[in-house]
Amino acid sequence: ETGVTQTPRHLVMGMTNKKSLKCEQHLGHNAMYWYKQSAKKPLELMFVYSLEERVENNSVPSRFSPECPNSSHLFLHLHTLQPEDSALYLCASSQDRGSNYEQYFGPGTRLTVT
Amino acid sequence: AQSVTQLGSHVSVSEGALVLLRCNYSSSVPPYLFWYVQYPNQGLQLLLKYTTGATLVKGINGFEAEFKKSETSFHLTKPSAHMSDAAEYFCAVSDSGWVELSFGAGTTVTVRA
Repeated sequence: ETGVTQTPRHLVMGMTNKKSLKCEQHLGHNAMYWYKQSAKKPLELMFVYSLEERVENNSVPSRFSPECPNSSHLFLHLHTLQPEDSALYLCASSQDRGSNYEQYFGPGTRLTVT
Repeated sequence: AQSVTQLGSHVSVSEGALVLLRCNYSSSVPPYLFWYVQYPNQGLQLLLKYTTGATLVKGINGFEAEFKKSETSFHLTKPSAHMSDAAEYFCAVSDSGWVELSFGAGTTVTVRA
């Protein structure tokens, strides 16, 4: 595997379910990001991790819970989601945090909340 | 705080025609500016970026963009569209190299044969 991978690619879940999204980067980067992409809206930065420490949390509801066990893996734990949370969730990584460093994106997980 | 406006959510061009995608930003300091492309079922990929220096920036796949401070713009162009240019394009800005990106809403490009 090369670059940034995300699993699953598609997920349908009910509002009472608990699920997790997984991201793995094979680039040796130190920073990882979660974004939410909704149709015709700007990408929303959700969380930033640098060297496994969360450095940014953009007022994301607590029903989204990130976890970064090491610099190569990033998870997004989901519970009691709402239909408006349906979106494409993108993971990205960069050598270090900040726009000085190019972000490499995974293909995303298409989440549908029913 | 910075913000990005992309004029036109959808652009349709003929193969071989000029591609022009518009981006205006607001920033309280000299900005860092970026264009990303997203092909169907893929993540975003960096096309080009402006940080300092020459205001005309060349990127991959024949795209270029010009930073115009007086117009607070960073429009993306390609002289001759190819079918493979069909994708969604995102403009992004940050206040410095140590701050995260703010993205626009995106412009979808379709190319007619």
